[in-house]
Amino acid sequence: EVQLVDSGGGLVQPGGSLRLSCSASGFSFIKYGMHWVRQAPGKGLEHVSAISSNGGSTYYTDSVKGRFIISRDNSKNTLYLQMSSLRAEDTAVYYCVKDEIGDYAYYGMDVWGQGTTVTVSS
Amino acid sequence: EIVLTQSPATLSLSPGERATLSCRASQTVNNYLAWYQQKPGQAPRLLVYGASKRATGVPARFSGSGSGTDFTLTISSLEPEDFAIYYCQQRSNWPPEITFGQGTRLEIK
Repeated sequence: EVQLVDSGGGLVQPGGSLRLSCSASGFSFIKYGMHWVRQAPGKGLEHVSAISSNGGSTYYTDSVKGRFIISRDNSKNTLYLQMSSLRAEDTAVYYCVKDEIGDYAYYGMDVWGQGTTVTVSS
Repeated sequence: EIVLTQSPATLSLSPGERATLSCRASQTVNNYLAWYQQKPGQAPRLLVYGASKRATGVPARFSGSGSGTDFTLTISSLEPEDFAIYYCQQRSNWPPEITFGQGTRLEIK
């Protein structure tokens, strides 16, 4: 079964740090770029970060640049998001997501983790 | 950044009716557009990719159309399980600037 399992969320004080993990199974993890997408309570979806299949290229939305680091360990089929200097506005459910894009086609975000909740509050 | 604007914000229909959801992009997105369904407490589910291709396992009553800047998701005859929030999404190749529409809530009338 193709699956992503998110973990690592919790309650953290403003200015604190947290590391999210995402364990992949059922597909060839090393072949795909991966993403983190978040959803604040009662709000829509926001793309946070992406990493290429070999981990050599990364992308961050402006609001998390310099505070979040995305990484992956292809030997462990695991994606990470190291979050630091956390703010109240980072409170959200964080989803690990797989998608696929070719030279002339986009195949969508076809596999999502179940989400892990991050709450930033004193 | 490409902005996706979905309309209407809320759509109230009855089972058996046809639903038409719109997604307009601020710039051409080259059919790198997808639609997702999200139910309360669940992760989003991919419905349509490449603007018009149904994802694996998605019922035939769901169809996507459009090109350039104007896209539509149509549900031909609503089933009770279709009442949910629907998002459109686009991405560029690299850097992967990905944006989502604000969502359309499809509710039972």
